[in-house]
Amino acid sequence: SQQGEEDPQALSIQEGENATMNCSYKTSINNLQWYRQNSGRGLVHLILIRSNEREKHSGRLRVTLDTSKKSSSLLITASRAADTASYFCATASGSARQLTFGSGTQLTVLP
Amino acid sequence: GAVVSQHPSRVICKSGTSVKIECRSLDFQATTMFWYRQFPKQSLMLMATSNEGSKATYEQGVEKDKFLINHASLTLSTLTVTSAHPEDSSFYICSALRDKGETQYFGPGTRLLVL
Repeated sequence: SQQGEEDPQALSIQEGENATMNCSYKTSINNLQWYRQNSGRGLVHLILIRSNEREKHSGRLRVTLDTSKKSSSLLITASRAADTASYFCATASGSARQLTFGSGTQLTVLP
Repeated sequence: GAVVSQHPSRVICKSGTSVKIECRSLDFQATTMFWYRQFPKQSLMLMATSNEGSKATYEQGVEKDKFLINHASLTLSTLTVTSAHPEDSSFYICSALRDKGETQYFGPGTRLLVL
């Protein structure tokens, strides 16, 4: 079952602007991961943040995690048209290494 | 990087037939693979966890006799949709996990259309 909710469901911005997506989840986690999916394609792993971490950077990506609020955010800076895709958060909990995916955010970056 | 392939990428079949989808980890051994289903404009829903050499673990509501999973080697898992019906039409995606790894590497997906 889906654990997380993401907002916004859809986000449309101009190239060069920053895009922020939020993810909330319900249970305690080991880590939270962000994935990107281009239309009709598989998922590409972007970044993993562990439950004892608060912030992580990778290139133009910045992820934060607030375990007290059970939420995470993904910031894409200086967006490009090629960043247009769906972005999903996914949580891993307990001893199982399964992922539970959020509902996703459809990002459109206009050139 | 870790590469996972799926075959076929698209398949159209008649109602009542069975369809097999292969998921291969190309450059690493995957003790665990996962199968997901994704309907249009929706998120991924986990169907089952496939462990090499043992029976798959199915999520609640997923019929194990309808969705047969075989993980016969450390690089190959197969999902067979038996007696497919139009409501089985969906995008099926697999992922693979290295031993002791945390990151799932996803295949490109298989679009199934049942007429």
